[in-house]
Amino acid sequence: DTEVTQTPKHLVMGMTNKKSLKCEQHMGHRAMYWYKQKAKKPPELMFVYSYEKLSINESVPSRFSPECPNSSLLNLHLHALQPEDSALYLCASSQPTSSDNEQFFGPGTRLTVL
Amino acid sequence: AQSVTQLDSHVSVSEGTPVLLRCNYSSSYSPSLFWYVQHPNKGLQLLLKYTSAATLVKGINGFEAEFKKSETSFHLTKPSAHMSDAAEYFCVVSGYSTLTFGKGTMLLVSP
Repeated sequence: DTEVTQTPKHLVMGMTNKKSLKCEQHMGHRAMYWYKQKAKKPPELMFVYSYEKLSINESVPSRFSPECPNSSLLNLHLHALQPEDSALYLCASSQPTSSDNEQFFGPGTRLTVL
Repeated sequence: AQSVTQLDSHVSVSEGTPVLLRCNYSSSYSPSLFWYVQHPNKGLQLLLKYTSAATLVKGINGFEAEFKKSETSFHLTKPSAHMSDAAEYFCVVSGYSTLTFGKGTMLLVSP
C-alpha cells in the first residue's frame, strides 16, 4: 500500500465550529507532515511529526492543533478558524531514515471557512 | 540554506510538441531534487527524483530530467505533450527533514 489517505475530501465550517482533518498511511513511514496550499501557490509546511513527536511547528496559529495518535495516523484539529484559512490541506509521509526525504502526498482536504 | 527557482510561471505548448520546464536550485550540499505534478484539486504526485546516481533521470508518463551541477539546473522535459499533461509542476529540493518548493509552473496544452 503506497497511499496516503485523507478525510474528508471537502469541509465547510463556520468560524465558531470545531472540526478535525484526518490522514492515514500504512507504508510504515515514521514522519508525517501537514501542509497548507492556497490557490496557485506551492504548499507551505505547517507541522512535522517524527516518530510520533512534534519536531517542527512553522509558527502556525494555535487555532490549528496537530495530533499524532500513532505511527499511521495524523490529525489536524481546527477551532475558531478565519476565512483566510480556507485552503487545500495536504498531508504527507516519509521515512526519516531515507537519504532523499521523498514525501508521499495525500489528495488533500479542501477547507472552506465561512 | 537552499532555494529553488522555476523560471517560468506558465508554459504553453501544442499537443504533440516538446515540453521544457526550467528549474534552477541552490544548495550548500549535494541535494536530492524532485519534480512533482499537481492536477486541479488533487494532491501532489511524484514524477521523478534525482539522488546522486545517474544525472539523467527518467520518470513516469514519459518525463525526464537532467541534473547539471555546473549549471545548478534540473530541467524537466518530455518529447511529446499530451492533453492530460496540463497541470501545475513543482520543482523541489530536499533538506534534512523538509522540502523547499519552487513557485510552480503551470503547463497549458492546446489541441
